[in-house]
Amino acid sequence: QQQVKQSPQSLIVQKGGISIINCAYENTAFDYFPWYQQFPGKGPALLIAIRPDVSEKKEGRFTISFNKSAKQFSLHIMDSQPGDSATYFCAASLNQAGTALIFGKGTTLSVSS
Amino acid sequence: GAVVSQHPSRVICKSGTSVKIECRSLDFQATTMFWYRQFPKQSLMLMATSNEGSKATYEQGVEKDKFLINHASLTLSTLTVTSAHPEDSSFYICSARNRDRGEKLFFGSGTQLSVL
Repeated sequence: QQQVKQSPQSLIVQKGGISIINCAYENTAFDYFPWYQQFPGKGPALLIAIRPDVSEKKEGRFTISFNKSAKQFSLHIMDSQPGDSATYFCAASLNQAGTALIFGKGTTLSVSS
Repeated sequence: GAVVSQHPSRVICKSGTSVKIECRSLDFQATTMFWYRQFPKQSLMLMATSNEGSKATYEQGVEKDKFLINHASLTLSTLTVTSAHPEDSSFYICSARNRDRGEKLFFGSGTQLSVL
């Protein structure tokens, strides 16, 4: 019930291409779904987040698509750049102060130039 | 805004010693902070929830006597790894939720602990 399943484990995309990472959750009580970007030796940085009352959210080159009925959400990175090469984590939680995030296992993205 | 500072960034210690890691919210108050542990190429695993002015809540399997957490103020939480052993070597990351910025959770830059 508390798991967040993320795929793929690794992804190689050519520069300018679209990177797509998928996540699925089980707990229907989750109502906050962020994506984090992490570079080696650094803490995760919040990229974009969505609530279940919307099906899509876009910020620059990053878009979250959310399918409440399927309990799935995905991150799309448009026009992928070598600087986007990092590990990406999806997460989920209850949107309550004091509630911890449950993370997916991560996707290592490599964007070739 | 919403900066979480974690110190030190890297520490090497001998087996049997104790190590303290600090997590500070620099420009906001955090009644709750979270401590995560991350092994190489793996996800973040929640260790404990640190509540200002009260005892921390530990996740199943995390030894509270080994990983001491103190949240003495609204801007500071500390994690002390007591009697560290090589298997405690890991990347430790703290995070804090900014009450003024809704549900967003901000992370420190992490501490790489190596126990010899």
